[in-house]
Amino acid sequence: SQQGEEDPQALSIQEGENATMNCSYKTSINNLQWYRQNSGRGLVHLILIRSNEREKHSGRLRVTLDTSKKSSSLLITASRAADTASYFCAPFCYGSNRLAFGKGNQVVVIP
Amino acid sequence: EAGVVQSPRYKIIEKKQPVAFWCNPISGHNTLYWYLQNLGQGPELLIRYENEEAVDDSQLPKDRFSAERLKGVDSTLKIQPAELGDSAVYLCASSLDQKETQYFGPGTRLLVL
Repeated sequence: SQQGEEDPQALSIQEGENATMNCSYKTSINNLQWYRQNSGRGLVHLILIRSNEREKHSGRLRVTLDTSKKSSSLLITASRAADTASYFCAPFCYGSNRLAFGKGNQVVVIP
Repeated sequence: EAGVVQSPRYKIIEKKQPVAFWCNPISGHNTLYWYLQNLGQGPELLIRYENEEAVDDSQLPKDRFSAERLKGVDSTLKIQPAELGDSAVYLCASSLDQKETQYFGPGTRLLVL
């Protein structure tokens, strides 16, 4: 499968803690994108990291990419209750020229 | 800037009935996508348009699904006839280019009874 595979699939943390999610994929990519989806809503784009980049920041979010290991991580610092959502990694795969979404990682931030 | 607009937000139909979904992408976005999302899963691409041309429809079940993007702007996705297994969320997205950020609409939640 070309799709991104998130790990862990479910995460429960206290507000203020950091949350780290990992993503692995199997093929060559042009970029890798992370999205968030709140219950019953559409997906919101968080960060796009290109294959020649190793790290990217956006506010409280930090994404790393290791193309040699075919893996990426998303770190949310100082989590808030509003960060409760499903987080999807989606590598943009050469060949298929598509975003290959995984099943998502469910994060619950407890106030 | 207005986001991707979809309608309806919810639709309940009986099996074997037809149903249509509408999407208005972000202005200036040439690439438009339709995705299917089942509960507990990530979105799966059904079809991708570059302007008015369907350039990737290999995962669209063509026996019952059809899509069009007239004039390269709005798009409609149709199912006829609907089956119970079609119950899912149908997401529309758009982007400037296929390799760039995709912006998603709120989706249409379909329930087939």
